[in-house]
Amino acid sequence: EVQLVESGGALVQPGGSLRLSCAVSGLSFTNNDMIWVRQAPGRGLEWVSLIYSSGSTHYADSVNGRFIISRDHSKNTVYLEMNNLRVADTAIYYCAKRPGPWGKGTTVTVSS
Amino acid sequence: DIVMTQSPDSLAVSLGERATINCKSSQSVLYNSNNKNYLAWYQQKPGQPPKLLIYWASTRESGVPGRFSGSGSGTDFTLTISSLQAEDVAIYYCHQYYTTPFSFGQGTRLEI
Repeated sequence: EVQLVESGGALVQPGGSLRLSCAVSGLSFTNNDMIWVRQAPGRGLEWVSLIYSSGSTHYADSVNGRFIISRDHSKNTVYLEMNNLRVADTAIYYCAKRPGPWGKGTTVTVSS
Repeated sequence: DIVMTQSPDSLAVSLGERATINCKSSQSVLYNSNNKNYLAWYQQKPGQPPKLLIYWASTRESGVPGRFSGSGSGTDFTLTISSLQAEDVAIYYCHQYYTTPFSFGQGTRLEI
């Protein structure tokens, strides 16, 4: 069974940092592209970042320069390092194999 | 950037009747080299993460009931629920994973 389990979400002040993790099991992690998607309260889905199996990365304009996606093949884990957080970054963050399945998400709240 | 537009925004269908949701992309999501449409459909129920229903525009994810089907190619796609069940009440999203920035439709709320 494929499982993706996100962790690391928290309440953080504007300007702060967080690192989200996504532990993947049940699929060939090495050969799959992985993405992060977020959903602000009461809103739709917004793609955040992509890391190809090759290691190349892409970001939404809204997070480019502040977020960094990475992957550790030895741990079957994808990370999202989030810096200079803004109130607008408040959302549930989902990890997924492109295009699925998805994890259950982890909540990030940016507030003073 | 590819813009995904769903129609309608909301839909009410009687139990046992057919439900049809449309999704239009501003550019083709058909990759000619492999003849695949990089288009997925998700179902999201309240308080739950999105669930992958359909990928490659028409391939049903394992475990998804046969009443769900996807069709279309290029820029125009359709999700059909052949006989609506009470548990199908949800918001449905289409998603292009052809080129970054990846994008989602605004969602269609399906009610009984």
